[in-house]
Amino acid sequence: DTGVSQDPRHKITKRGQNVTFRCDPISEHNRLYWYRQTLGQGPEFLTYFQNEAQLEKSRLLSDRFSAERPKGSFSTLEIQRTEQGDSAMYLCASEGAFDTDTQYFGPGTRLTVL
Amino acid sequence: QKEVEQNSGPLSVPEGAIASLNCTYSDRGSQSFFWYRQYSGKSPELIMSIYSNGDKEDGRFTAQLNKASQYVSLLIRDSQPSDSATYLCAVDSNSGYALNFGKGTSLLVTP
Repeated sequence: DTGVSQDPRHKITKRGQNVTFRCDPISEHNRLYWYRQTLGQGPEFLTYFQNEAQLEKSRLLSDRFSAERPKGSFSTLEIQRTEQGDSAMYLCASEGAFDTDTQYFGPGTRLTVL
Repeated sequence: QKEVEQNSGPLSVPEGAIASLNCTYSDRGSQSFFWYRQYSGKSPELIMSIYSNGDKEDGRFTAQLNKASQYVSLLIRDSQPSDSATYLCAVDSNSGYALNFGKGTSLLVTP
């Protein structure tokens, strides 16, 4: 257990529905990342927060995806109008200001879109 | 061109042998290199990080970096069945924030 928690661990939804995932990073870690991983692939970067500021977004993050980190602590990732291609493991990672370059991953949220 | 390349395997080694996992990357400006282990259905777990050319050892694991050849490797000595997993190579991106991952190499250690 790295200390990064994600909720829910599994989500099954129907195409067209909206879903929201939550990530709680390691306490006092100011950097937070979202990645997506599909079967047989490595994690792919989606977006990055430093404190509450969203500093980088991948082109993978279409306008159906939105992420927030309102108080610089937990983060949410919302997918609107889900598509079957959104089925994947959504991973959150956190990194501390004094342990830079080391990203600790949470357990992930597995999304299945029917 | 994929930025981080790994042989997907599976790589099969007998228990007690040395497993050698390889990774190449395309960005010559990369500074930070990582090996993560991922068990089936679980999230990646950091094993090693390396920043300078040469070898870095941690227990049964040795990471090797050759920036001139843009090559990173991971050696696992005295391989155990519990080492059976997918090993992901990760390299820092142009932005310096995100990590670029390879597809991973599946390792199977047979008793």
